[in-house]
Amino acid sequence: QSALTQPASVSESPGQSITISCAGTSSDVGDYNYVSWYQHHPGNAPKLMIYDVSKRPSGVSTRFSGSKSGNTASLTISGLQAEDEADYYCCSYAGSSTWVFGGGTKLTVL
Amino acid sequence: EVQLVQSGAEVKKPGESLKISCKGSGYRFTTSWIGWARQMPGKGLEWMGIIYPGDSDTRYSPSFQGQVTISADKSISTAYLQWTSLQASDTAIYYCARRKPVPGGADYYMDLWGKGTTVTVS
Repeated sequence: QSALTQPASVSESPGQSITISCAGTSSDVGDYNYVSWYQHHPGNAPKLMIYDVSKRPSGVSTRFSGSKSGNTASLTISGLQAEDEADYYCCSYAGSSTWVFGGGTKLTVL
Repeated sequence: EVQLVQSGAEVKKPGESLKISCKGSGYRFTTSWIGWARQMPGKGLEWMGIIYPGDSDTRYSPSFQGQVTISADKSISTAYLQWTSLQASDTAIYYCARRKPVPGGADYYMDLWGKGTTVTVS
């Protein structure tokens, strides 16, 4: 199992939109509609933002959305706010009760 | 309150053993898988493995098979991650997380996380 591939960092101005990609393989992202995204502020517990590719848990802002095409999943954050600045991780089910994470993307809101 | 509470930071020497814990509360611990993830300094999360406390069914990432042991004591709603001989490369923050339980089974994402246990081996 190799880690999913995410950009190391992205940055954008408040109010703008940004998309973070998550590239996997046909054994994980491409094989299952079980991609989840987590927001992580260092020192805190990671927070679930998206599950099953595009579903939002109760309480998560509608500014967060997810999608998938082939072996690549994406997280889009619209109307960026300062509080969105964090590390974001994608995660995919890979079969047999195993999962694989992406390397993480540091989002900077300029 | 539904939560996972992890044990405190540890500082160990190479070759020592260690067992860190993750206690669940506010939900039915025995019917919810608990997973572990590692975050090495300056790096991303890595999936280590997962356990079903009800029957201790355990699955490991190939990268961590044989390197750590995941266990659980359902009587005290606690999962564990342990090492028999630590190395400097085990220095990391370790997170536990609950696989979302659903009636009759489990979903395919982690809905609840602990705040992490920092392990320093030096």
